[in-house]
Amino acid sequence: NAGVTQTPKFQVLKTGQSMTLQCAQDMNHEYMSWYRQDPGMGLRLIHYSVGAGITDQGEVPNGYNVSRSTTEDFPLRLLSAAPSQTSVYFCASSSQGPAYNEQFFGPGTRLTVL
Amino acid sequence: TQLLEQSPQFLSIQEGENLTVYCNSSSVFSSLQWYRQEPGEGPVLLVTVVTGGEVKKLKRLTFQFGDARKDSSLHITAAQPGDTGLYLCAGARADKLIFGTGTRLQVFP
Repeated sequence: NAGVTQTPKFQVLKTGQSMTLQCAQDMNHEYMSWYRQDPGMGLRLIHYSVGAGITDQGEVPNGYNVSRSTTEDFPLRLLSAAPSQTSVYFCASSSQGPAYNEQFFGPGTRLTVL
Repeated sequence: TQLLEQSPQFLSIQEGENLTVYCNSSSVFSSLQWYRQEPGEGPVLLVTVVTGGEVKKLKRLTFQFGDARKDSSLHITAAQPGDTGLYLCAGARADKLIFGTGTRLQVFP
């Protein structure tokens, strides 16, 4: 099992550009989520999904869209990149909701917006 | 504002010392998890505590969940250089896992 995979590992964008961060898991997990990590801020929840076809907002959803058409994939779309979105992005998955289940994290995508 | 505050933010100690990291909130959580993160990697789960007052031990690490399920602590006995890393608490509410601000620990030989 590859676990949780994220692509790309690094990305540089110009202000206003759009892009999609890919996340996939091969553990048949129902719950998936996206976080961003800024220096000194811990991880902040962007969006999450409790199963295919179901998504919801986290703490900092503005400027990001998600969809969950399959159990395996949970892409994160930046609609119009801004310098404030410079961050490290982590995708995570768990078998069910996060309360009693371990979150498995991907290796992260380091995004710089110029 | 962060829902979960951790203290201290930074901790630099010598090998063999003991330390405690605190995770505090005004909100009640279903459970509280502790993760450790190495540079360039995603967080990895250390423990999940569920019941108010619960204490769990993992070798030299002791985790406690507050009686009211609003706070938690992590105590490390006789710290080793291999304990160096970023320690994150995370509280579960409904379908969301909210992370704390993090404590960066460095243990010198």
